[in-house]
Order: sequence, then structure tokens, then C-alpha cells
Amino acid sequence: DQQVKQNSPSLSVQEGRISILNCDYTNSMFDYFLWYKKYPAEGPTFLISISSIKDKNEDGRFTVFLNKSAKHLSLHIVPSQPGDSAVYFCAASAVGGTYKYIFGTGTRLKVLA
Amino acid sequence: EPEVTQTPSHQVTQMGQEVILRCVPISNHLYFYWYRQILGQKVEFLVSFYNNEISEKSEIFDDQFSVERPDGSNFTLKIRSTKLEDSAMYFCASSLRTGNEQFFGPGTRLTVL
Repeated sequence: DQQVKQNSPSLSVQEGRISILNCDYTNSMFDYFLWYKKYPAEGPTFLISISSIKDKNEDGRFTVFLNKSAKHLSLHIVPSQPGDSAVYFCAASAVGGTYKYIFGTGTRLKVLA
Repeated sequence: EPEVTQTPSHQVTQMGQEVILRCVPISNHLYFYWYRQILGQKVEFLVSFYNNEISEKSEIFDDQFSVERPDGSNFTLKIRSTKLEDSAMYFCASSLRTGNEQFFGPGTRLTVL
């Protein structure tokens, strides 16, 4: 079951530069998308979300873009900071359900000082 | 800031034993979830719970699993007869409504020997 895919297992970025994390999905019923950040031995921490009626949502240094026709979303972090180093998961949920989340496999971001 | 708590943080058990994982969701939340993450794999949905009954469950959530909200604050996951492949991090999550972001607890690491 690969409904949500994060094809880059890892990403390294210099401090101060932009980090772009990508996520693709296959289920056209998904209408709500989220990004979570996870440190080792901790639970996922909610970062930002977007519903399918929008194509962009911004919160401080974090912006999520949604391209419904391409079934693609991305998370931009600008500027990247060393404290952003973590595993980032995208998640999706479908209209009409219990809003269970389907998670991607995660991208490990390393921000280099 | 309110948070989801989980106990214990680490549980070691022998194969075939029963375990109960405990969660205290955020107090005014109405929807409750269990997810698990096997080491190196993605976070997977197990079950959602609302109004004192299961709303949805995955194929992982077989007859060996059960959930309960025994009082107004706790939400438990019971595994009746643990198997080696049940070893994973188990995350509890809660949300105020469907369609709102889910807040995750820190997880319980279950090790089945």
C-alpha cells in the first residue's frame, strides 16, 4: 500500500538555505494533507496542513504547496536552521472517512551549520 | 500547552503475553487513534475511536487487538497474545474533530521477546 510516497529518504541542506521536501500521493479521494516532524524517540509533531481547496498554506518559515493535478505536495522551509534536522512525514486523509492518516515513509532532513 | 501522554515509555514482554498500552488524550478531544511504527518503516494506522466505539480499523487490527476508554481520560490498546512482529513504537493520537490535525503522544516502544 503505497498511497503516499516520499521518494527522497534523506536531504542535506546548508543552514540559511531553503529545504524542499516532496510527497506524492495516488488516492484522488485524499482532501487533507499534513506535514509532521519527528525526532528520535518522540511522537510526530504537527507542523502544517493544507486542505484540497487551497494550493498554498504558509506558517512562518514553513510553506506547504499542493498540486492536485499532479497529486503532489511539497514543504518548503526557509531559512533552514540546524534545529530543523529531523524526519519529516507527509500524511493524507480522505473525505468522508474517520480522517485516519496515511503516512509517507519519511525524509530525514539534515541542516548543516 | 495540552499534550497527549502515553505510558509506559518502554514495555518488554514475552511472546504470548498480554500487554496494555495506555494513553491520556488531550482533555477536550473527541476522536482517538492508535498508530504503530515498526523500526525503519512508516507510521501505520491501527484504529480510530469515537463516541465509545471503533470508527474504523485497519487490517493490522485483528482479533488480538482491542481498545477501550475505561473512564473519561484514559484510552487503552490491549494486545491479547503478543507476537514477535508486534514489536514496534505505538503512538496514540487525538483530535478535537475529524478534519482537525491529530496530536500524537511520545509513543510506547513495545519489545516482544
